[in-house]
Amino acid sequence: ELKVEQNPLFLSMQEGKNYTIYCNYSTTSDRLYWYRQDPGKSLESLFVLLSNGAVKQEGRLMASLDTKARLSTLHITAAVHDLSATYFCAVPRGAGGTSYGKLTFGQGTILTVHP
Amino acid sequence: EAGVAQSPRYKIIEKRQSVAFWCNPISGHATLYWYQQILGQGPKLLIQFQNNGVVDDSQLPKDRFSAERLKGVDSTLKIQPAKLEDSAVYLCASRTYRDRTYEQYFGPGTRLTVT
Repeated sequence: ELKVEQNPLFLSMQEGKNYTIYCNYSTTSDRLYWYRQDPGKSLESLFVLLSNGAVKQEGRLMASLDTKARLSTLHITAAVHDLSATYFCAVPRGAGGTSYGKLTFGQGTILTVHP
Repeated sequence: EAGVAQSPRYKIIEKRQSVAFWCNPISGHATLYWYQQILGQGPKLLIQFQNNGVVDDSQLPKDRFSAERLKGVDSTLKIQPAKLEDSAVYLCASRTYRDRTYEQYFGPGTRLTVT
């Protein structure tokens, strides 16, 4: 059974600081997704990482994937209050055909950025 | 492009009552998912449809939950009878293939409170 674990689960940061969220998963997968969820809102896609060594950046967020280590990181640079949200990583189960893409989500990391 | 639509946005019912949620996916998206997100957790897949057929309902509690997508477009998820532990946000998502991978787009969700 695929397990996806994030840490930390809670992250309180000061504005301007850097930090990293980790996502470990238990079975082989060649891709990984990161989502953001604001309180009371739905999930917004941040990054899709498609291969080993993939790195994507958007503003102050940078995500990377190491499929051999079964590890993805979401790095936050010079945090600002607007980044406060819950961040989820998700890994697809199965391979090929219509069953591909069933996502297993991590528990989520609640990020709070303080002035 | 219109996003995934869901209704109602909020629902409060008593235990043992029944409830139904509706989802209209993004036009042209053949694959549709229903997820359950309990407070403080990541979304958990309940059922996946491909057009009007069920691909995976292995995590759907079939003694009380049912779902259909009769014409391969809109979908409904029903709970009958509801239990206290069904209190959660029910998210609908639809999927398309883009940039060499499948991407899921989530609706705003229906927040269910069972008292």
